[in-house]
Amino acid sequence: DAKTTQPPSMDCAEGRAANLPCNHSTISGNEYVYWYRQIHSQGPQYIIHGLKNNETNEMASLIITEDRKSSTLILPHATLRDTAVYYCIVRVATLWNNNDMRFGAGTRLTVKP
Amino acid sequence: DTEVTQTPKHLVMGMTNKKSLKCEQHMGHRAMYWYKQKAKKPPELMFVYSYEKLSINESVPSRFSPECPNSSLLNLHLHALQPEDSALYLCASSQDSRDSTDTQYFGPGTRLTVL
Repeated sequence: DAKTTQPPSMDCAEGRAANLPCNHSTISGNEYVYWYRQIHSQGPQYIIHGLKNNETNEMASLIITEDRKSSTLILPHATLRDTAVYYCIVRVATLWNNNDMRFGAGTRLTVKP
Repeated sequence: DTEVTQTPKHLVMGMTNKKSLKCEQHMGHRAMYWYKQKAKKPPELMFVYSYEKLSINESVPSRFSPECPNSSLLNLHLHALQPEDSALYLCASSQDSRDSTDTQYFGPGTRLTVL
């Protein structure tokens, strides 16, 4: 099972910031938080990842709480093309794979004009 | 360049057919993955190749057979599939699956329909 929980859906107005929350209360000290998104019927697209410091790249910002039990992905100026399912992922070590990317249900973000 | 390519984009096959899905990356990555994604569900990992060595997911049926001819290519051989195997099959690659900061990059997927 995934180690993360996310709201099933969110709406955002075009041009406004989209803030997508994620809970990962069982995260271990050396586990990274990854964010991907999947636009309808395409492959998942890597957005950003972080350990404990806030991270920013050309796509988004990632804010991780001090206790690391939750994080927020911020799309600063959402556009219609940002409409997608956003996945927050903490990797799980299984018997057969040390870095199993266990996708949860994700958050379906709809950006509205 | 973070491109992973997959062919074909779409595939329709009967339950008695044998077909193969192909995946290619030229990023010098040493790990490659196959995922299966059913409609309205998240992707689920099927197989991992790390340095051309396969890690087996015991829950995947034997009618799916992966092959890694070299570090840039990954195939998924399909035989005697069932209609419930219809899904989007995603390939991904990453630098080194043993690294906790390793990032996977996905291809566009192959949409498979089994009749």
